Amino acid sequence: GAVVSQHPSRVICKSGTSVKIECRSLDFQATTMFWYRQFPKQSLMLMATSNEGSKATYEQGVEKDKFLINHASLTLSTLTVTSAHPEDSSFYICSARDLNNRGHEETQYFGPGTRLLVL
Amino acid sequence: AQKITQTQPGMFVQEKEAVTLDCTYDTSDQSYGLFWYKQPSSGEMIFLIYQGSYDEQNATEGRYSLNFQKARKSANLVISASQLGDSAMYFCAMRESRGSQGNLIFGKGTKLSVKP
Repeated sequence: GAVVSQHPSRVICKSGTSVKIECRSLDFQATTMFWYRQFPKQSLMLMATSNEGSKATYEQGVEKDKFLINHASLTLSTLTVTSAHPEDSSFYICSARDLNNRGHEETQYFGPGTRLLVL
Repeated sequence: AQKITQTQPGMFVQEKEAVTLDCTYDTSDQSYGLFWYKQPSSGEMIFLIYQGSYDEQNATEGRYSLNFQKARKSANLVISASQLGDSAMYFCAMRESRGSQGNLIFGKGTKLSVKP
């Protein structure tokens, strides 16, 4: 199946710093990528939809100035958590849709996730 | 209102037996897709099976099958011949066609534990 990578897999940072998370589709092109957030023992909640070459669409309650999303190419989307605080500690996971509809037309392929801990 | 409901927070099954994980959904769309994902403790989301709303037959993928009952709006996952490695969180998800860019809406998940 299609492969999506995320980097870093785990990051610990001090409060007030910014953290950049990369999401790459390795063997397919993705015009649309999604960023989800998952708190411990909870479900995935959509944060934003990242579209190549245009502004991201944020879900209600997600601060766009805090969670900066850039989708510079068909294979890369980045999420930057700016001025991170302990409450931003979470599991961030991205997914990508295959532009060429490999496999199931609507299947989303997920990255392995990034665990962020803000001290 | 919840769009995806998984009523079983946790399930136990004996190794080699079959288990059914429940999922009901709520949508007014005629065209939609239903997914099941497995999330082991490592956190990765592993795609298991997909059912389109217009698919007449229940989807099957190896030991996984989806019991799709459209009128009841249910999409239960059946895992046959459970293995110890099946122990994980299982999420049911839906993609609606209207008002979305293809993102998935997830249920709260069911934690499956396979006993030896």
